[in-house]
Amino acid sequence: KAGVTQTPRYLIKTRGQQVTLSCSPISGHRSVSWYQQTPGQGLQFLFEYFSETQRNKGNFPGRFSGRQFSNSRSEMNVSTLELGDSALYLCASSPTDSLNTEAFFGQGTRLTVV
Amino acid sequence: KQEVTQIPAALSVPEGENLVLNCSFTDSAIYNLQWFRQDPGKGLTSLLLIQSSQREQTSGRLNASLDKSSGRSTLYIAASQPGDSATYLCAVGSPYNTDKLIFGTGTRLQVFP
Repeated sequence: KAGVTQTPRYLIKTRGQQVTLSCSPISGHRSVSWYQQTPGQGLQFLFEYFSETQRNKGNFPGRFSGRQFSNSRSEMNVSTLELGDSALYLCASSPTDSLNTEAFFGQGTRLTVV
Repeated sequence: KQEVTQIPAALSVPEGENLVLNCSFTDSAIYNLQWFRQDPGKGLTSLLLIQSSQREQTSGRLNASLDKSSGRSTLYIAASQPGDSATYLCAVGSPYNTDKLIFGTGTRLQVFP
């Protein structure tokens, strides 16, 4: 069974640009969550999608958005990139949106904003 | 607001030692606690999941315990190996937070031959 797949693995963008990251969950999983990891802030929750609906959202500005498709694949978008958006972006999939299910993470997308 | 702390922040031990990594959380109302391993620049690998009703879980050389009343979990690694070198993260699922998982800051472990 394939794991969580994130593409691309690496990205370099310029300040002010926008970027779209993709996450394909484990087959059969319907919940996808996104996290940002930086050396200073650690791992922080961005948002969760389940059945194409955003269920929860972390404390991030509106420049960060996402969506989920009918096949459970998810994308997150960051507009008007800032230097501080440089981070490892991780996505996790779970079978359901229940808070007591195990989360499985992808390898992440390393975003560098210059 | 739930806060998760991991001590120590870094640990360096010789191969063969038994290790204990600690994870503390401020609100005992949790759904579960999950331990992860992260290699440099990589994603997270799930090691163990403990539901709130459980006291411990074991997988190979790893054993994780949970004491909700005291807000603590420990990850025990038996007979450590150089391949165990990584950052270990704990995370809790909490009913009173919108965050799906709340992570600790991690313990960076180095096991030298």
